[in-house]
Amino acid sequence: GAVVSQHPSRVICKSGTSVKIECRSLDFQATTMFWYRQFPKQSLMLMATSNEGSKATYEQGVEKDKFLINHASLTLSTLTVTSAHPEDSSFYICSARDRVSSYNSPLHFGNGTRLTVT
Amino acid sequence: GEDVEQSLFLSVREGDSSVINCTYTDSSSTYLYWYKQEPGAGLQLLTYIFSNMDMKQDQRLTVLLNKKDKHLSLRIADTQTGDSAIYFCAEFGNYGQNFVFGPGTRLSVLP
Repeated sequence: GAVVSQHPSRVICKSGTSVKIECRSLDFQATTMFWYRQFPKQSLMLMATSNEGSKATYEQGVEKDKFLINHASLTLSTLTVTSAHPEDSSFYICSARDRVSSYNSPLHFGNGTRLTVT
Repeated sequence: GEDVEQSLFLSVREGDSSVINCTYTDSSSTYLYWYKQEPGAGLQLLTYIFSNMDMKQDQRLTVLLNKKDKHLSLRIADTQTGDSAIYFCAEFGNYGQNFVFGPGTRLSVLP
């Protein structure tokens, strides 16, 4: 149980275009999803917390107009990288918490999306 | 604020035990977690321990928690080549109400 599906797993796009990444909870409902960015050989950096039906909460230094987050349903959150540039190339990972679990219960992670901007 | 520290690399021989260590700063943490990340993949929850426990064992995995020293360890018995991965220690920080991950320990298993 507790499967998080993330798509696409890999995407290559041209500079200036936008890319949408989807994060779905397959067998549970998630009122809260989290988006992380991971640079090579580094730990996870929390970008934003996505709340169903409300605006996302962004971490300091993360541009909300650059990284658009939409959490329209209890099973889907999307991250759109707008006007992508080569420096946005990274590994993006989402995670979700079952809505019936407590706030400090384990997070379930997607398999990540490798974004390469040329 | 909260901080989680881990050594970055560990090499062991196949069949030996691996011990990955972690220290954290938030004394109010209620749960501490170990995640595994294989190349190009997301994070897989391995195990977690509640702060009122000293030890938790699950098959080849043993988690030890020293709450006084804020030290957490993960022992993998009979380490196999398939255990080669990055292992992240994480705490749920009550201070920031968020998960805080360590930098990850890259485990290499030598034949």
